[in-house]
Amino acid sequence: DVKVTQSSRYLVKRTGEKVFLECVQDMDHENMFWYRQDPGLGLRLIYFSYDVKMKEKGDIPEGYSVSREKKERFSLILESASTNQTSMYLCASSQQQGVYGYTFGSGTRLTVV
Amino acid sequence: KQEVTQIPAALSVPEGENLVLNCSFTDSAIYNLQWFRQDPGKGLTSLLLIQSSQREQTSGRLNASLDKSSGRSTLYIAASQPGDSATYLCAVVGSSGSARQLTFGSGTQLTVLP
Repeated sequence: DVKVTQSSRYLVKRTGEKVFLECVQDMDHENMFWYRQDPGLGLRLIYFSYDVKMKEKGDIPEGYSVSREKKERFSLILESASTNQTSMYLCASSQQQGVYGYTFGSGTRLTVV
Repeated sequence: KQEVTQIPAALSVPEGENLVLNCSFTDSAIYNLQWFRQDPGKGLTSLLLIQSSQREQTSGRLNASLDKSSGRSTLYIAASQPGDSATYLCAVVGSSGSARQLTFGSGTQLTVLP
């Protein structure tokens, strides 16, 4: 069964810390995405990547960066975590132009205190 | 910019009822449409994927339809069960852009009462 794996289900970090959220897919998908999900705001795209070392900003990239050094791994980086980055973070991947749909990971609930 | 709307925002039904969840989108130039299920605190599970050239897809008790010209999709759930309780999300993939991004609706929170 194809999988998108997010390394942590729950994380608690302190304000100002540098935070890494890791996502790995085993489907050889070209495209990978990071979303955050907040009550009342739905899912919002932070960054995506359509190839190794390529990245594009989504709707809310401020305060985040990403890294894709290998095809199967896409990392989301919070350079200096803030309380307003407390959220559910979801990683997804897709093949080609999304023709077979998107596969999501199980999510990381990040709390910044 | 594509906008996706889901109605109703919440729905509560007794077990055994058939129900319909609605999704509408403003730009009919879509590549495909995907329905997801999300349980509280969990990730998204794909239910059905409809390509733009298709009219419907079925999986078990679920049937999703697509009317691209009118910008509408419905998810039909037959003989609902308490285990169907979850949030259902509709998402469309645009027909342009480097990676064909998903645009999500805000979801319908379904509760099936025993």
